[in-house]
Amino acid sequence: DSGVTQTPKHLITATGQRVTLRCSPRSGDLSVYWYQQSLDQGLQFLIQYYNGEERAKGNILERFSAQQFPDLHSELNLSSLELGDSALYFCASSRDPGLDWETQYFGPGTRLLVL
Amino acid sequence: SQELEQSPQSLIVQEGKNLTINCTSSKTLYGLYWYKQKYGEGLIFLMMLQKGGEEKSHEKITAKLDEKKQQSSLHITASQPSHAGIYLCGVVGAQKLVFGQGTRLTINP
Repeated sequence: DSGVTQTPKHLITATGQRVTLRCSPRSGDLSVYWYQQSLDQGLQFLIQYYNGEERAKGNILERFSAQQFPDLHSELNLSSLELGDSALYFCASSRDPGLDWETQYFGPGTRLLVL
Repeated sequence: SQELEQSPQSLIVQEGKNLTINCTSSKTLYGLYWYKQKYGEGLIFLMMLQKGGEEKSHEKITAKLDEKKQQSSLHITASQPSHAGIYLCGVVGAQKLVFGQGTRLTINP
């Protein structure tokens, strides 16, 4: 158990809908990362937050947004869902992203299926 | 941007056999992470290598970093069913992790 929790574990929804994925980082970790894992794209970085502020952005679509709250939990919002958004979404956390080699610990993921 | 290529893409070995997975970088490797993923589950941190020539072991898994070859290898000795899964190497770039495509390991009894 990495200490990172994600809810829900599974999510089934329809195209055009909007969903929210939730992540609680390890105790003491200030930074949260979101990744998407699909069969054809592999594991791709989406976005990073540090202590409530956006820190780095990756291959995140405009239909997707995230935020980190004062209690450090984070939410990833996916809207106008398309079939191709079906994937595993992972959250990871680390203590201090200012360090070059700060290990990221991953949550169990949320499996999203868009029908 | 830095790219990582893992080989082989998949591997089937008999329980008790040794095996090696390689991760080759398109750019200089200053350090590398190894993670393991059980099918459809989260990534489990295995180890981090930070220096050329560094070698680390955890139980029956040993990883080595060869910065001259821009490569890291992960070696499993006397494989067990619990070793089955997907092994991913990753490097940090601009505060994000960039991963290889993964090596799927199957252990046959």
